[in-house]
Amino acid sequence: QKEVEQDPGPLSVPEGAIVSLNCTYSNSAFQYFMWYRQYSRKGPELLMYTYSSGNKEDGRFTAQVDKSSKYISLFIRDSQPSDSATYLCAMTSQTSGSRLTFGEGTQLTVNP
Amino acid sequence: NAGVMQNPRHLVRRRGQEARLRCSPMKGHSHVYWYRQLPEEGLKFMVYLQKENIIDESGMPKERFSAEFPKEGPSILRIQQVVRGDSAAYFCASSPGNLGQAFFGQGTRLTVV
Repeated sequence: QKEVEQDPGPLSVPEGAIVSLNCTYSNSAFQYFMWYRQYSRKGPELLMYTYSSGNKEDGRFTAQVDKSSKYISLFIRDSQPSDSATYLCAMTSQTSGSRLTFGEGTQLTVNP
Repeated sequence: NAGVMQNPRHLVRRRGQEARLRCSPMKGHSHVYWYRQLPEEGLKFMVYLQKENIIDESGMPKERFSAEFPKEGPSILRIQQVVRGDSAAYFCASSPGNLGQAFFGQGTRLTVV
């Protein structure tokens, strides 16, 4: 079983839709959770960084962490064609330091 | 403030040759990480370095792969005697501390022919 599970999609939505992206994990030691956006043939770009449980909002993006369920989510409101990319969740623990464990990524297409 | 710089962006090597990938971290960042991304797969951790020290190399293949981050100059990921299975995108990331908030470069795409 993988430590981090992420539905690879592909996910296709119309412009303006609310997008929900999710990851589950098995390692209860994970405390730091990140979402990265990766455009084709580019490097991952850090979107959201959260510690422990709770919500964090940044513009159209909201990250949620539910440690009791080992489940994290990224919501994108008013999605735009420019949001079309692969979204990667990543996480780590105090003991793992910066050795990030990534999900395999969800490919998102927002259609105009 | 330049981001994480990797070069070359594309590298073609014949089987048996050596590949050298370079990474300059963001200004003020002393922690460097290398990840590999195989086609249709996620990013896999390889190695974590600080200046002149390898902190965690648990993701590195035992043979042919090595990494360094000298006191002066960029971090280098070296792959000796490359094989076709080494073809992948190699990403470098840096951070100011050792927990999360890692910023990635654009990657080096290695093709072994």
